[in-house]
Amino acid sequence: QKEVEQNSGPLSVPEGAIASLNCTYSDRVSQSFFWYRQYSGKSPELIMSIYSNGDKEDGRFTAQLNKASQYVSLLIRDSQPSDSATYLCAVNNGNNRLAFGKGNQVVVIP
Amino acid sequence: DAMVIQNPRYQVTQFGKPVTLSCSQTLNHNVMYWYQQKSSQAPKLLFHYYDKDFNNEADTPDNFQSRRPNTSFCFLDIRSPGLGDAAMYLCATSREGTGMRFEQFFGPGTRLTVL
Repeated sequence: QKEVEQNSGPLSVPEGAIASLNCTYSDRVSQSFFWYRQYSGKSPELIMSIYSNGDKEDGRFTAQLNKASQYVSLLIRDSQPSDSATYLCAVNNGNNRLAFGKGNQVVVIP
Repeated sequence: DAMVIQNPRYQVTQFGKPVTLSCSQTLNHNVMYWYQQKSSQAPKLLFHYYDKDFNNEADTPDNFQSRRPNTSFCFLDIRSPGLGDAAMYLCATSREGTGMRFEQFFGPGTRLTVL
Protein backbone atom coordinates (compact mmCIF):
# COMPACT_ATOMS: atom_id res chain seq x y z
CA GLN A 1 0.00 0.00 0.00
CA LYS A 2 1.33 3.38 -0.98
CA GLU A 3 1.86 5.91 1.78
CA VAL A 4 -0.37 8.55 0.21
CA GLU A 5 -2.99 7.78 -2.40
CA GLN A 6 -4.90 10.07 -4.67
CA ASN A 7 -6.87 7.78 -6.89
CA SER A 8 -9.24 10.03 -8.79
CA GLY A 9 -8.52 10.72 -12.44
CA PRO A 10 -8.62 14.20 -13.97
CA LEU A 11 -11.48 16.25 -12.54
CA SER A 12 -13.41 18.58 -14.82
CA VAL A 13 -15.67 21.13 -13.14
CA PRO A 14 -17.67 24.03 -14.54
CA GLU A 15 -16.63 27.50 -13.53
CA GLY A 16 -18.33 28.46 -10.27
CA ALA A 17 -18.83 24.86 -9.12
CA ILE A 18 -17.17 23.05 -6.20
CA ALA A 19 -14.16 20.85 -6.89
CA SER A 20 -13.63 18.05 -4.36
CA LEU A 21 -10.35 16.18 -4.01
CA ASN A 22 -9.63 13.25 -1.71
CA CYS A 23 -6.48 11.72 -0.32
CA THR A 24 -5.88 8.72 1.94
CA TYR A 25 -2.74 7.88 3.88
CA SER A 26 -1.47 4.69 5.44
CA ASP A 27 0.54 5.75 8.50
CA ARG A 28 -1.64 6.30 11.56
CA VAL A 29 1.02 8.36 13.31
CA SER A 30 0.87 11.08 10.64
CA GLN A 31 0.46 14.49 12.23
CA SER A 32 0.76 17.11 9.49
CA PHE A 33 -1.12 17.27 6.21
CA PHE A 34 -0.68 19.58 3.25
CA TRP A 35 -2.16 20.44 -0.11
CA TYR A 36 0.06 21.83 -2.82
CA ARG A 37 -1.05 23.34 -6.11
CA GLN A 38 1.21 22.82 -9.11
CA TYR A 39 0.68 24.52 -12.44
CA SER A 40 2.07 22.80 -15.51
CA GLY A 41 5.82 23.33 -15.71
CA LYS A 42 5.97 25.11 -12.35
CA SER A 43 6.94 24.08 -8.83
CA PRO A 44 4.49 23.07 -6.08
CA GLU A 45 2.94 25.89 -4.08
CA LEU A 46 1.67 25.29 -0.56
CA ILE A 47 -2.00 26.29 -0.34
CA MET A 48 -3.29 24.54 2.78
CA SER A 49 -1.92 22.97 5.95
CA ILE A 50 -4.07 21.08 8.45
CA TYR A 51 -3.05 19.39 11.68
CA SER A 52 -6.20 18.50 13.63
CA ASN A 53 -9.47 16.80 12.83
CA GLY A 54 -12.18 18.89 11.26
CA ASP A 55 -12.34 21.64 8.69
CA LYS A 56 -9.98 24.49 7.97
CA GLU A 57 -11.06 27.25 5.64
CA ASP A 58 -8.88 29.74 3.77
CA GLY A 59 -10.66 31.84 1.21
CA ARG A 60 -12.24 29.55 -1.37
CA PHE A 61 -10.30 26.54 -0.09
CA THR A 62 -11.42 24.19 2.68
CA ALA A 63 -9.31 21.31 3.93
CA GLN A 64 -10.95 18.49 5.87
CA LEU A 65 -9.09 15.99 8.03
CA ASN A 66 -10.37 12.74 9.51
CA LYS A 67 -7.56 10.92 11.31
CA ALA A 68 -9.76 7.98 12.33
CA SER A 69 -10.52 7.23 8.70
CA GLN A 70 -7.08 8.38 7.53
CA TYR A 71 -8.22 10.74 4.87
CA VAL A 72 -7.80 14.38 4.04
CA SER A 73 -9.76 16.29 1.44
CA LEU A 74 -9.69 19.64 -0.31
CA LEU A 75 -12.71 21.58 -1.48
CA ILE A 76 -12.40 24.45 -3.91
CA ARG A 77 -15.51 26.61 -3.90
CA ASP A 78 -16.51 28.90 -6.77
CA SER A 79 -13.91 27.27 -9.02
CA GLN A 80 -12.12 29.62 -11.40
CA PRO A 81 -10.15 28.86 -14.56
CA SER A 82 -7.04 29.90 -12.62
CA ASP A 83 -7.65 26.91 -10.33
CA SER A 84 -6.84 24.56 -13.22
CA ALA A 85 -3.74 22.74 -11.97
CA THR A 86 -2.53 19.54 -10.38
CA TYR A 87 -3.17 19.28 -6.64
CA LEU A 88 -0.72 17.26 -4.58
CA CYS A 89 -1.57 15.83 -1.18
CA ALA A 90 1.40 15.51 1.18
CA VAL A 91 1.74 13.94 4.61
CA ASN A 92 4.46 14.28 7.23
CA ASN A 93 4.95 11.24 9.44
CA GLY A 94 6.85 12.87 12.27
CA ASN A 95 10.27 13.03 10.63
CA ASN A 96 11.64 15.59 8.21
CA ARG A 97 10.12 14.01 5.12
CA LEU A 98 6.92 14.53 3.19
CA ALA A 99 5.20 11.66 1.41
CA PHE A 100 3.42 12.93 -1.70
CA GLY A 101 0.48 11.53 -3.57
CA LYS A 102 0.77 11.45 -7.34
CA GLY A 103 -1.65 14.35 -7.66
CA ASN A 104 -5.06 15.08 -9.13
CA GLN A 105 -5.46 17.24 -12.19
CA VAL A 106 -8.31 19.75 -12.01
CA VAL A 107 -9.67 21.42 -15.13
CA VAL A 108 -12.12 24.28 -14.65
CA ILE A 109 -14.27 24.80 -17.72
CA PRO A 110 -15.36 28.39 -18.36
CA ASP B 1 10.50 39.03 0.14
CA ALA B 2 11.87 35.89 1.75
CA MET B 3 12.17 33.17 -0.82
CA VAL B 4 13.84 30.09 -2.27
CA ILE B 5 15.89 30.75 -5.39
CA GLN B 6 17.16 28.19 -7.87
CA ASN B 7 19.71 28.67 -10.62
CA PRO B 8 19.70 28.11 -13.44
CA ARG B 9 16.02 27.78 -14.27
CA TYR B 10 16.85 25.74 -17.36
CA GLN B 11 19.95 23.61 -17.81
CA VAL B 12 20.93 21.68 -20.92
CA THR B 13 23.82 19.24 -20.65
CA GLN B 14 25.29 16.45 -22.68
CA PHE B 15 25.14 12.81 -21.74
CA GLY B 16 27.85 12.16 -19.15
CA LYS B 17 28.82 15.82 -18.67
CA PRO B 18 28.73 16.84 -14.98
CA VAL B 19 26.27 19.48 -13.97
CA THR B 20 25.67 21.47 -10.78
CA LEU B 21 22.38 23.00 -9.75
CA SER B 22 22.18 25.60 -7.02
CA CYS B 23 19.63 26.65 -4.45
CA SER B 24 19.67 29.56 -2.05
CA GLN B 25 17.16 30.72 0.53
CA THR B 26 16.48 33.86 2.50
CA LEU B 27 13.95 32.21 4.81
CA ASN B 28 16.59 31.22 7.39
CA HIS B 29 15.22 27.70 7.38
CA ASN B 30 17.40 24.98 8.85
CA VAL B 31 16.33 22.13 6.57
CA MET B 32 16.91 22.03 2.81
CA TYR B 33 15.69 19.35 0.43
CA TRP B 34 16.37 18.24 -3.13
CA TYR B 35 13.60 16.55 -5.10
CA GLN B 36 13.46 15.11 -8.58
CA GLN B 37 10.15 15.34 -10.40
CA LYS B 38 9.38 13.74 -13.73
CA SER B 39 6.32 14.46 -15.83
CA SER B 40 3.02 13.45 -14.19
CA GLN B 41 4.81 12.01 -11.16
CA ALA B 42 5.06 13.04 -7.53
CA PRO B 43 8.24 14.76 -6.37
CA LYS B 44 10.82 12.17 -5.34
CA LEU B 45 13.07 13.08 -2.42
CA LEU B 46 16.76 12.65 -3.21
CA PHE B 47 18.31 13.95 0.03
CA HIS B 48 17.95 16.57 2.70
CA TYR B 49 20.09 18.47 5.16
CA TYR B 50 18.93 19.01 8.71
CA ASP B 51 21.26 21.86 9.58
CA LYS B 52 24.60 20.37 8.52
CA ASP B 53 23.52 16.76 8.85
CA PHE B 54 23.23 15.09 5.46
CA ASN B 55 20.47 12.52 4.93
CA ASN B 56 20.52 10.40 1.80
CA GLU B 57 17.47 8.49 0.65
CA ALA B 58 18.18 4.78 0.25
CA ASP B 59 17.22 4.72 -3.42
CA THR B 60 19.05 7.88 -4.51
CA PRO B 61 21.57 6.88 -7.20
CA ASP B 62 25.27 7.37 -6.44
CA ASN B 63 25.39 9.63 -9.48
CA PHE B 64 23.74 12.34 -7.35
CA GLN B 65 25.60 14.22 -4.65
CA SER B 66 24.90 17.30 -2.62
CA ARG B 67 26.75 20.00 -0.72
CA ARG B 68 25.56 22.55 1.79
CA PRO B 69 28.42 24.97 2.46
CA ASN B 70 26.32 27.22 4.70
CA THR B 71 22.77 27.73 5.95
CA SER B 72 21.65 29.63 2.88
CA PHE B 73 23.04 27.56 0.01
CA CYS B 74 22.72 24.01 -1.20
CA PHE B 75 24.04 22.39 -4.38
CA LEU B 76 23.04 19.32 -6.34
CA ASP B 77 25.80 17.67 -8.36
CA ILE B 78 25.00 15.13 -11.04
CA ARG B 79 28.30 13.48 -11.87
CA SER B 80 27.42 11.72 -15.11
CA PRO B 81 23.94 12.62 -16.29
CA GLY B 82 22.04 10.01 -18.23
CA LEU B 83 18.96 10.42 -20.35
CA GLY B 84 16.89 9.14 -17.44
CA ASP B 85 18.02 12.06 -15.29
CA ALA B 86 16.14 14.58 -17.40
CA ALA B 87 13.59 16.04 -15.00
CA MET B 88 12.60 19.05 -12.94
CA TYR B 89 14.82 19.42 -9.88
CA LEU B 90 13.16 21.09 -6.96
CA CYS B 91 14.76 22.63 -3.91
CA ALA B 92 12.61 23.07 -0.81
CA THR B 93 13.16 24.40 2.68
CA SER B 94 11.46 24.06 6.03
CA ARG B 95 11.96 25.24 9.56
CA GLU B 96 12.09 22.24 11.81
CA GLY B 97 12.27 21.92 15.52
CA THR B 98 10.14 21.28 18.56
CA GLY B 99 6.61 22.38 17.85
CA MET B 100 7.28 23.13 14.21
CA ARG B 101 4.80 22.02 11.63
CA PHE B 102 6.98 20.72 8.78
CA GLU B 103 5.70 23.03 6.08
CA GLN B 104 7.98 22.86 3.05
CA PHE B 105 8.39 25.72 0.61
CA PHE B 106 9.63 25.09 -2.88
CA GLY B 107 11.83 27.08 -5.19
CA PRO B 108 10.85 27.55 -8.85
CA GLY B 109 12.81 24.48 -9.95
CA THR B 110 15.50 23.78 -12.55
CA ARG B 111 14.44 21.97 -15.71
CA LEU B 112 17.31 19.67 -16.75
CA THR B 113 17.57 18.44 -20.33
CA VAL B 114 20.14 15.77 -21.21
CA LEU B 115 21.13 15.49 -24.87
